[in-house]
Amino acid sequence: GAVVSQHPSWVICKSGTSVKIECRSLDFQATTMFWYRQFPKQSLMLMATSNEGSKATYEQGVEKDKFLINHASLTLSTLTVTSAHPEDSSFYICSARPDRRGFTGELFFGEGSRLTVL
Amino acid sequence: DAKTTQPPSMDCAEGRAANLPCNHSTISGNEYVYWYRQIHSQGPQYIIHGLKNNETNEMASLIITEDRKSSTLILPHATLRDTAVYYCIVRVTNSGNTPLVFGKGTRLSVIA
Repeated sequence: GAVVSQHPSWVICKSGTSVKIECRSLDFQATTMFWYRQFPKQSLMLMATSNEGSKATYEQGVEKDKFLINHASLTLSTLTVTSAHPEDSSFYICSARPDRRGFTGELFFGEGSRLTVL
Repeated sequence: DAKTTQPPSMDCAEGRAANLPCNHSTISGNEYVYWYRQIHSQGPQYIIHGLKNNETNEMASLIITEDRKSSTLILPHATLRDTAVYYCIVRVTNSGNTPLVFGKGTRLSVIA
């Protein structure tokens, strides 16, 4: 159990276009999901906290108008990179915490989505 | 900022135990120690977590010192597929809105 799936796994786009990445919790509900970004040979950096039914909370330095997050249901959060540029090329990873009772706190991660902007 | 310190890299022979240390000298009383690993180009994978008692599951064992200022993750019989970056993270466990803050981790190379 506790599977998180991301789509697409990889995407290549032209500069100036927008790209949407989906994060789904397949066998549990998650009020809260997190989005991370990882550049080559670096660690994961938290971008934002996504809460179902409310606005996302962004980390300092992350532009909310550029990285649009929509958490419309308890099993789906989306990250849209608007007007993507080559410096946005990165590995984007989502994470979710199951809502169920008795859960002991670990977070589960998606497989990641690799974005390359030409 | 990450509240843990880990060696940047370690090597381990295949079939031997891999012992990965972590220092968390400023850990609070309500913070747990979590271990995750990330195999190249994949999302992080949960391994184990604990508060103060030693823990064991099918993947690994976690040994936490009595003063809780450090811990060791043990992979009892390392295989080539255990080659990954291992992250030690401290976090309040039942805080649903608290994300995991990743440090630089330890890059474990299992060698045949």
